[in-house]
Amino acid sequence: TQLLEQSPQFLSIQEGENLTVYCNSSSVFSSLQWYRQEPGEGPVLLVTVVTGGEVKKLKRLTFQFGDARKDSSLHITAAQPGDTGLYLCAGVTYGGSQGNLIFGKGTKLSVKP
Amino acid sequence: DSGVTQTPKHLITATGQRVTLRCSPRSGDLSVYWYQQSLDQGLQFLIQYYNGEERAKGNILERFSAQQFPDLHSELNLSSLELGDSALYFCASSRDRAYGYTFGSGTRLTVV
Repeated sequence: TQLLEQSPQFLSIQEGENLTVYCNSSSVFSSLQWYRQEPGEGPVLLVTVVTGGEVKKLKRLTFQFGDARKDSSLHITAAQPGDTGLYLCAGVTYGGSQGNLIFGKGTKLSVKP
Repeated sequence: DSGVTQTPKHLITATGQRVTLRCSPRSGDLSVYWYQQSLDQGLQFLIQYYNGEERAKGNILERFSAQQFPDLHSELNLSSLELGDSALYFCASSRDRAYGYTFGSGTRLTVV
């Protein structure tokens, strides 16, 4: 079974702090996606990373795909209360019985003003 | 509005009952995916349909079934409901999974 482990599970920080959340697996993925989910809503796609070592920036968010395509990280600079939510990583598999995205359990981020 | 419509938003029903959840995918998306989200298990893939055909199956119970209709909307049928089936059920659609899924707002199912 392919698993994606996210850490930390919970993170509570003050506005203006920086943070990094991690997504790790023993499996290789063809690409990896990050989503953000707010209470009562479905996950919303933030970014897709495809190439090993790839770095993508989305305003204050920086996403990196590991060289071996088994892990990824999300770094947020100067966090704001609007960044609060559940951050999910999801790996796209190379076929297999699931044939779909494998989701981690997420990092629940709370940014206090 | 993500473009993926799920109804109903909330559903409360008794154990042993049967319910149907409905999903209309984003315009142009041929693939529909169903996920179950609970606090302890996270997002669990249930089943995928592509243009009316079942494409992949995940951790879907035998009491659950789904279908995708010619107009591409999909229904997830849950029967003989148990307390443990209480969860958020999400539908997502995509043109190509490599470019991400668009999720609906979900149906919160409570079995009492």
